Amino acid sequence: GAGVSQSPSNKVTEKGKDVELRCDPISGHTALYWYRQSLGQGLEFLIYFQGNSAPDKSGLPSDRFSAERTGGSVSTLTIQRTQQEDSAVYLCASSLEQGARQPQHFGDGTRLSIL
Amino acid sequence: AQSVAQPEDQVNVAEGNPLTVKCTYSVSGNPYLFWYVQYPNRGLQFLLKYITGDNLVKGSYGFEAEFNKSQTSFHLKKPSALVSDSALYFCAVRAVFSGGYNKLIFGAGTRLAVHP
Repeated sequence: GAGVSQSPSNKVTEKGKDVELRCDPISGHTALYWYRQSLGQGLEFLIYFQGNSAPDKSGLPSDRFSAERTGGSVSTLTIQRTQQEDSAVYLCASSLEQGARQPQHFGDGTRLSIL
Repeated sequence: AQSVAQPEDQVNVAEGNPLTVKCTYSVSGNPYLFWYVQYPNRGLQFLLKYITGDNLVKGSYGFEAEFNKSQTSFHLKKPSALVSDSALYFCAVRAVFSGGYNKLIFGAGTRLAVHP
């Protein structure tokens, strides 16, 4: 069955460029999350969308990072003026509902490398 | 502060032996607890969860976990390890914030290495 889909799977770009990362959640999942993972380490929460509610942006590391979710489905994470410390794997997850009773389903991530 | 801890960066075990990956937590409200596994170059995969009910939870691939309220722990276990179990394991717990808002917080991960 269709899981969470992320694109691109790999992205290499030069410092200072903007990048857009895309996430297609599982159909019907109302909650969507973005995380950052550095070098096989733990997950750093970035942002969380739930239905039509205002997103929880508390994890975004700087104002260079932004995300939107259009029509309650696809989400795009944008990083402006990329820096080398932005290099990481960016993971997207979705779940059936807020409340954290349901497990999150993860995509395979986008591996971002900033030269 | 609400948190989840995985005290071991790495666990080494011989194939066929039992394995335990430790997790302790500190949260407000009733804990909802999860284990995820991550294989190289993949996203996290859900293994099992505890919401309520029996303290021993069984999940995918023969894994189980025991909820211990008094010790605030949720250790992951398997009776007989396989080499293919070698991966990165994450414990996660629901944290409750003011206004009833809640979300999952993840531990730092434990790398499990199963040797032939």
